[in-house]
Amino acid sequence: EAQVTQNPRYLITVTGKKLTVTCSQNMNHEYMSWYRQDPGLGLRQIYYSMNVEVTDKGDVPEGYKVSRKEKRNFPLILESPSPNQTSLYFCASSLGPTLGQFFGPGTRLTVL
Amino acid sequence: AQSVTQPDIHITVSEGASLELRCNYSYGATPYLFWYVQSPGQGLQLLLKYFSGDTLVQGIKGFEAEFKRSQSSFNLRKPSVHWSDAAEYFCAVGALGASGTYKYIFGTGTRLKVLA
Repeated sequence: EAQVTQNPRYLITVTGKKLTVTCSQNMNHEYMSWYRQDPGLGLRQIYYSMNVEVTDKGDVPEGYKVSRKEKRNFPLILESPSPNQTSLYFCASSLGPTLGQFFGPGTRLTVL
Repeated sequence: AQSVTQPDIHITVSEGASLELRCNYSYGATPYLFWYVQSPGQGLQLLLKYFSGDTLVQGIKGFEAEFKRSQSSFNLRKPSVHWSDAAEYFCAVGALGASGTYKYIFGTGTRLKVLA
């Protein structure tokens, strides 16, 4: 089944404790992206990747890191999480950036 | 700056009634335009997309959207709404970023409620 998977689905952590949210797709997609969704703000793009080893900042990259060492995986790293990073995070992928994206189920992160 | 505006935060329609959700964008060139739907507790699903050609595009679940360049709009329509259409709808633009790569800008969403 074609899908984008994210882990964990739910995470409660404390300020400053490094964490990684994994994202994997099985569709051989070139383009991958991370978003955060906050009430009243819609989805905002954090980082995106056109291909392996090619990443770029979206509109809200501060406090986040990504890497794209393999085509299928695109982990999101929070080196020192803060409460303002409490949000619902989505990973998405597509064959190309103009082709519409497949979204993962989301990861709800709470930073205390 | 690129932006997407969905002026209606909430819309309520009766089942069987027609629906139009508004989307306006700001972008210097012809954008790539998308509509997505998010059911409660779910991820987003692509409804339809527009790149070029016919300005009326058909999507899944009986939805269509019309691109109007003169109005910078890409409104989503459905002739007869079903109770299962209750969800949040997002309009999005794919735009060329400063580094020559494509980024996405989403609107803030319109939450649709369907009355039985």
